[in-house]
Amino acid sequence: DSGVTQTPKHLITATGQRVTLRCSPRSGDLSVYWYQQSLDQGLQFLIHYYNGEERAKGNILERFSAQQFPDLHSELNLSSLELGDSALYFCASSPEGRSEAFFGQGTRLTVV
Amino acid sequence: EDQVTQSPEALRLQEGESSSLNCSYTVSGLRGLFWYRQDPGKGPEFLFTLYSAGEEKEKERLKATLTKKESFLHITAPKPEDSATYLCARNFGNEKLTFGTGTRLTIIP
Repeated sequence: DSGVTQTPKHLITATGQRVTLRCSPRSGDLSVYWYQQSLDQGLQFLIHYYNGEERAKGNILERFSAQQFPDLHSELNLSSLELGDSALYFCASSPEGRSEAFFGQGTRLTVV
Repeated sequence: EDQVTQSPEALRLQEGESSSLNCSYTVSGLRGLFWYRQDPGKGPEFLFTLYSAGEEKEKERLKATLTKKESFLHITAPKPEDSATYLCARNFGNEKLTFGTGTRLTIIP
């Protein structure tokens, strides 16, 4: 158990809908990262938050947004969903001053 | 462009047959090389961090080594429970980890 908690574990939704994925980082970690993993691609970096502020953006679609709250939990919002958005979405957190990231168990999103 | 390349893509070994997995990357400021293990449908599990050329880390049957251009994950006398995808990642100093596509390792009893 990495200490990173993601909910829900599974999500099935229709095209055009909007969903919210939630992540609680390890106790004391200020950095939260979101990654997407599709069958035909490796882990793709989406976005990084540090203590409530956005620090870096990867190939994140405009339909996707994220935020980190004062209690350090983070949410990833996916809207106008398409079939191609079906993937595993992982959240990770890092301890202060370290680069290694500890991953949650992911949310499997299926868009039908 | 920051890139991480892993080889082979897949590897099948008999139980007890030792081998090595390779991770190579575009050379830039070294901010860490990371190895993870990922089981199907699960999140990547952190294994090792390496920062300096010549550094080595060990955990059970796994040993990770680092040169200036590449890293190796050596697996000694593997067991079926070592079957997983092994991922390598680099920190290129840009607030994220860049991952390779992994080596899918299968250990046959």
